[in-house]
Amino acid sequence: NAGVTQTPKFQVLKTGQSMTLQCAQDMNHNSMYWYRQDPGMGLRLIYYSASEGTTDKGEVPNGYNVSRLNKREFSLRLESAAPSQTSVYFCASRKTGGIYSNQPQHFGDGTRLSIL
Amino acid sequence: GENVEQHPSTLSVQEGDSAVIKCTYSDSASNYFPWYKQELGKGPQLIIDIRSNVGEKKDQRIAVTLNKTAKHFSLHITETQPEDSAVYFCAASRTGKLIFGQGTTLQVKP
Repeated sequence: NAGVTQTPKFQVLKTGQSMTLQCAQDMNHNSMYWYRQDPGMGLRLIYYSASEGTTDKGEVPNGYNVSRLNKREFSLRLESAAPSQTSVYFCASRKTGGIYSNQPQHFGDGTRLSIL
Repeated sequence: GENVEQHPSTLSVQEGDSAVIKCTYSDSASNYFPWYKQELGKGPQLIIDIRSNVGEKKDQRIAVTLNKTAKHFSLHITETQPEDSAVYFCAASRTGKLIFGQGTTLQVKP
């Protein structure tokens, strides 16, 4: 059971380049999330998708776009990468709806992104 | 918006001792409080969670307490072992979106 799978695991970009981070979950979860993790700041929500076909901004959405491709996949795109976007990016998913309130989020192992 | 403060930022204990990590939250409507453990190079893994209708929850060596009046919750690890060394995050939520604390690096010395 793979859970949440993120690709790639590592990436180095130059300022101004574009990139898409991929995330897929095999747990039939409705909701998916993208976070960034910076030293001393915990995890901050970039975008989330409450269900297939919907996306919403989180705490730090500027410079990012997302696509909920289907129920399994949720991608994060950097259109023009900046050094301030150097971070570790985590994708998460959770079951929602009906009796599934307050269910935990399950995380992937992250993408480590450096922008020079 | 919601804010979660976590203390201490680093904690060093001797193997076998107890460790306590504390978090405070600002949104009184928060109703779900998970704790995650993150090992080097890995994503956060849920270790225990508590909902607002419960004051305490225990799972073997790990326990979480919640004080809704004071808006704080704590993680207690008893009989610590070297494999407990990791970064621990608290979080709070009322809508399904998690607001995380800044993290505590726990070091358990053999």
